[in-house]
Amino acid sequence: TAGITQAPTSQILAAGRSMTLRCTQDMRHNAMYWYRQDLGLGLRLIHYSNTAGTTGKGEVPDGYSVSRANTDDFPLTLASAVPSQTSVYFCASSDLAGGGFYEQYFGPGTRLTVT
Amino acid sequence: AQRVTQPEKLLSVFKGAPVELKCNYSYSGSPELFWYVQYSRQRLQLLLRHISRESIKGFTADLNKGETSFHLKKPFAQEEDSAMYYCASRGSQGNLIFGKGTKLSVKP
Repeated sequence: TAGITQAPTSQILAAGRSMTLRCTQDMRHNAMYWYRQDLGLGLRLIHYSNTAGTTGKGEVPDGYSVSRANTDDFPLTLASAVPSQTSVYFCASSDLAGGGFYEQYFGPGTRLTVT
Repeated sequence: AQRVTQPEKLLSVFKGAPVELKCNYSYSGSPELFWYVQYSRQRLQLLLRHISRESIKGFTADLNKGETSFHLKKPFAQEEDSAMYYCASRGSQGNLIFGKGTKLSVKP
């Protein structure tokens, strides 16, 4: 089982350009999340989706958009990149059905540098 | 709003010494708390969750509601414990609210 995968592994992007970070999970989890990891700031939630067809804003959503057309995929798009979006981006998924504790699984991350 | 605080950015100990990584939380209800670990250039992985009261790789963490703390402890540190450790609480959308992380360095 692949679990949760992300692409690309790393990218250098010119400011003003657009880019989509891909995230795919094969665990049939209904919830998916995007976080950014910055030194000294930890991980912060960008957007989330509790089920296919719905999305919500997290702590730092500005400059990012997401879609959830199906259960497996949760792409993150930067419409016009800025240097402050240089970060490591992690996608995660978990199963929210029925309440209780469900472990959140993380992808390997995408290291993005905006120049 | 929920908040998780990890006061130490870096903790350096010698092999065999005890380790305590501090975590405090602010939440008025019953929190769900976790410790995640990230080894060098690897993805985050769950280490402990407070509801299971388990010991993983020699680490334990006890929820202290009076002190609003969830400190991570290990009696004898090993070099392979060197990693980034994040304390987190579950948010209202099922997401995780992370502290800023503590980098643990275990010296030989």
